[in-house]
Amino acid sequence: AQKITQTQPGMFVQEKEAVTLDCTYDTSDPSYGLFWYKQPSSGEMIFLIYQGSYDQQNATEGRYSLNFQKARKSANLVISASQLGDSAMYFCAMREAGKLIFGQGTELSVKP
Amino acid sequence: KAGVTQTPRYLIKTRGQQVTLSCSPISGHRSVSWYQQTPGQGLQFLFEYFSETQRNKGNFPGRFSGRQFSNSRSEMNVSTLELGDSALYLCASSEPSSYNEQFFGPGTRLTVL
Repeated sequence: AQKITQTQPGMFVQEKEAVTLDCTYDTSDPSYGLFWYKQPSSGEMIFLIYQGSYDQQNATEGRYSLNFQKARKSANLVISASQLGDSAMYFCAMREAGKLIFGQGTELSVKP
Repeated sequence: KAGVTQTPRYLIKTRGQQVTLSCSPISGHRSVSWYQQTPGQGLQFLFEYFSETQRNKGNFPGRFSGRQFSNSRSEMNVSTLELGDSALYLCASSEPSSYNEQFFGPGTRLTVL
């Protein structure tokens, strides 16, 4: 069974608008961590944001925020004020037993 | 701080050969993990090393191996290369006391002909 599910293979957003990338996860461990990474065409995985399972507040990092709904087991990434440079693959990942388990990714395209 | 570095960035090999990839973690990070990324399988965990010891291993055949040195630099080796080993190999470093940080290198793109 998929542990990390990203249901949007591709998404388009207009420049300067906000976009939400979906991520649901499955774990029975009460302690876990959730990550979002950006992967441009160059291949490098760029860390965006982290949410711990015990964190009371949603994580925010600049234009990135994580909408963490623990009961629903969802950890959606919200990018505000999209920029052309945001066009890339985005991966949601969960840390479990010392390793990261990744979703299949969402390809985001920002239109001018 | 310098980021995670990986060498070489690109590599072309033929079936049956072996290959060694190198990863230098961020200064102060003692844990190094390796991942394989392919279009079909996505990102998959290979193994993690901490203080020169393998702590976790993914579901890969024994042809995939690794090691870590006392300065935390890590190498992974793939023997008897197969066409399906063509992939982007990424390494990530972290400090186990701060698992909210997992930083990746630029990757090594391996092509097996």
